[in-house]
Order: sequence, then structure tokens, then C-alpha cells
Amino acid sequence: NAGVMQNPRHLVRRRGQEARLRCSPMKGHSHVYWYRQLPEEGLKFMVYLQKENIIDESGMPKERFSAEFPKEGPSILRIQQVVRGDSAAYFCASSQQTNTEAFFGQGTRLTVV
Amino acid sequence: KNEVEQSPQNLTAQEGEFITINCSYSVGISALHWLQQHPGGGIVSLFMLSSGKKKHGRLIATINIQEKHSSLHITASHPRDSAVYICAVRLKVSNTGKLIFGQGTTLQVKP
Repeated sequence: NAGVMQNPRHLVRRRGQEARLRCSPMKGHSHVYWYRQLPEEGLKFMVYLQKENIIDESGMPKERFSAEFPKEGPSILRIQQVVRGDSAAYFCASSQQTNTEAFFGQGTRLTVV
Repeated sequence: KNEVEQSPQNLTAQEGEFITINCSYSVGISALHWLQQHPGGGIVSLFMLSSGKKKHGRLIATINIQEKHSSLHITASHPRDSAVYICAVRLKVSNTGKLIFGQGTTLQVKP
């Protein structure tokens, strides 16, 4: 049973480009969380999704960021028109239910140049 | 004031020492997690606790719900234990399961 898979592990984008981060949850997990870790800062919640639904996006910046978790395929975190301040590690976690243990992926380290 | 506070922020120990990392929180929780992150690496879930104590190998985690406090202990520490240890809580009022994180404790174990 593979763990939570994130790709790419490292992503370099120029300012103004789009970044797409993918997360495949563990088998049997239908709950996906995205967290962001800015340099020298702690992890912060961004968005919580279940299949085809955004349940809580209270941590998402109002503009340029979006997330989806389609019926088939991985969850995608999309950042449009990236800026230097978007440079961070983005972690995905998945769980079977809201009250069960969450497992994290290896993260995607985004660098905006 | 952060809802989740860890202490110490940084910790240096000699190989073999007993290590304690503390986590205090100010909100009602349904569960508390201890996580490990190596530099440039992913996040590994060590424990999820809602009461009492759990042990896995050389790691022990305890939680006191009344005092809103948890500790992570490492016995017979080893240089490979060097990492950032993060405490995270799931709010009792939340039905989403999202986590709120402490700032992390950076542990360095010297040989």
C-alpha cells in the first residue's frame, strides 16, 4: 500500500507562470488536506477536500489559488501567476475519515524565480 | 499567542541522552499528533493521541487532556533522531479534521 504520493518533489517556476501540484492519497482514503510551509515558518492549513467537493478552504489565499479533487485522479493544487512569496513547501495529507490518523506526503518544494 | 506552543524551540543533546519535547495548547481538541520532519524531507506521523500514553520503539508520547499538555520522549537518543518534531492538534469543534501546528522543535543529537 503506497503512501501519500506527491509530485513533483521540486518545482521551479518563473514569476507569472502557473504551478500545478499533485497529490494521490493513500488507497482507501477519500479525505485530502493541503498545507503550506513557508520558509522559517510552521505549517499552515490551506484546504480540505473530499472527492469532488471542497469542504473547507478557509486557509486558501483569496486569489490565484485553487484546489480540486476529482472523482478520478489525484488532487490538484493550482497556483496561477506565481509570485516570489509563493515559494514554499506544499504538503498533502490524507485520511480515511475526519477523525482518523492523517498521513503526509513528501511535499512539493516550489521555488519561484 | 499561538494556539499550539512547543518548547524548547531548539535542543542539542549527546547520543544516548533522554530527550523530552513539550507541547501546550489552549483550545479544546479531539486529538493530538506528533510529527517528524527531516531537513528537506517529508513529514512522518509518529503518534496520534487522544488520551493516555503511546509507545513505539524508543519513542513515547503522553497527553494530559485536563492540563492541555503533551510530551514526546526519546530514550537512548541517536544522531539519526536529529530532525524537527512538530506537535499538531485537531480542534474539538472542527468537523473537518484539519490540523493546527506548533512551530516545531529542532533536535540535534551529537555523536
